[in-house]
Amino acid sequence: EAQVTQNPRYLITVTGKKLTVTCSQNMNHEYMSWYRQDPGLGLRQIYYSMNVEVTDKGDVPEGYKVSRKEKRNFPLILESPSPNQTSLYFCASSSTRGADPEAFFGQGTRLTVV
Amino acid sequence: KNQVEQSPQSLIILEGKNCTLQCNYTVSPFSNLRWYKQDTGRGPVSLTIMTFSENTKSNGRYTATLDADTKQSSLHITASQLSDSASYICVVRGRNSGGYQKVTFGTGTKLQVIP
Repeated sequence: EAQVTQNPRYLITVTGKKLTVTCSQNMNHEYMSWYRQDPGLGLRQIYYSMNVEVTDKGDVPEGYKVSRKEKRNFPLILESPSPNQTSLYFCASSSTRGADPEAFFGQGTRLTVV
Repeated sequence: KNQVEQSPQSLIILEGKNCTLQCNYTVSPFSNLRWYKQDTGRGPVSLTIMTFSENTKSNGRYTATLDADTKQSSLHITASQLSDSASYICVVRGRNSGGYQKVTFGTGTKLQVIP
């Protein structure tokens, strides 16, 4: 089954404690991205990756890091989480071929930073 | 700046009734527009895609329209069901001569269907 898998689904952590949210896709997609979703603001892109070892900032990259060492994995790293990073996070992947590639989203990770 | 605005922000309707959600965008040049359905606590799932040359497209009880001249799209839901309760997100992709174009997300319309 084609899917994007995020882990963990729920996470509560304390300010300053480094954490990683994993994302894996099994569709051999080149493009992967991370979004955060906050009430009234919709989905905002944090980082994206066009392919292995190619990453770039989205609209709200501050406080986040990513890496793309393998095509299927795109982890999101919070080196020193702060309460304003409490949010619902989604990973998505899509092909870069064709004019209308559909984005496939993971189930989401609800992060609370206290 | 590319923007996608959706209205209403939220909507409550009775089961069995119809409703229409609106999406206005300023993304230019335009490539395509997708409507996504996002159930509570889950990731968005694509419902339909509209390209520049398409005016109407149906997917079961969902019908999307596009007016590329006025830069407006609508999603009409017929004979609503309780399972239609979700957020509906309009996503617009720009177009250029080559390469992958970044998409712009609307903030969504939260629909609640009540018995």
